[in-house]
Amino acid sequence: AQRVTQPEKLLSVFKGAPVELKCNYSYSGSPELFWYVQYSRQRLQLLLRHISRESIKGFTADLNKGETSFHLKKPFAQEEDSAMYYCALKGGSEKLVFGKGTKLTVNP
Amino acid sequence: DAGVIQSPRHEVTEMGQEVTLRCKPISGHNSLFWYRQTMMRGLELLIYFNNNVPIDDSGMPEDRFSAKMPNASFSTLKIQPSEPRDSAVYFCASRPGDRAYGYTFGSGTRLTVV
Repeated sequence: AQRVTQPEKLLSVFKGAPVELKCNYSYSGSPELFWYVQYSRQRLQLLLRHISRESIKGFTADLNKGETSFHLKKPFAQEEDSAMYYCALKGGSEKLVFGKGTKLTVNP
Repeated sequence: DAGVIQSPRHEVTEMGQEVTLRCKPISGHNSLFWYRQTMMRGLELLIYFNNNVPIDDSGMPEDRFSAKMPNASFSTLKIQPSEPRDSAVYFCASRPGDRAYGYTFGSGTRLTVV
C-alpha cells in the first residue's frame, strides 16, 4: 500500500529563517515523489519532483530511501512562501497519493 | 496551452439534486484523475482514467458518484442525488504518457450542497 505522512499540519516561521517541511512515505517498491504547493484557494502547482533534482523558488528536496523521507527545505523563507504544501507519491500505477498537507505561514 | 479546464468554478445546489462537474484535460495527456479535497480528509483520489478507460474507481465514495470519459478531451463527474456531505472542492488532473512529466491540476470546482 502507498501512504504519505506529513506529521505537521501547521508550521510557522519568521521571514529569513530556514524552513523544513517533513514528508515520510511507505511503499515497498521504488516510488516517484512530488511536492505540490497550493496558494490560497488556487490550484495545486507542481513544485518539485525527486527525479528532476531541481530547485524551484529556492526549495529543494532529497529522497532518502533509508529513512523513507522526502523533506522539503528552503534556507531563507519568504512571506510569499506562505501556502499549503502537499507531498505526494506515485507507485507502480498512475495513482498519485497525497499526504494531508502542511500549512506554512511565514511571518514578517 | 490553457491547462486543465474545469467547469463550473462554483456550484451551489440543493440536497437531492443532480450535479455534473466537467473537465477538459490537456491535449495529448493520456491519464485523467478526479480528486476531492476537504478539510477533514485532504486530497482523496476518486477515480482515474488511462486512455479514456477507467482504471481505478476504488475511491468513489458510493453509488451516487459516477464518472465518464467519452473521449480524450472530456470527462464528467456526476453526483446523483447530492448530499450536504458531498460539499468539497473537486479537482481534475491530467498527465501525459511520458513519465518525465508530473500531474497538472485544474482550478477545481467548489461544490456546496445545502
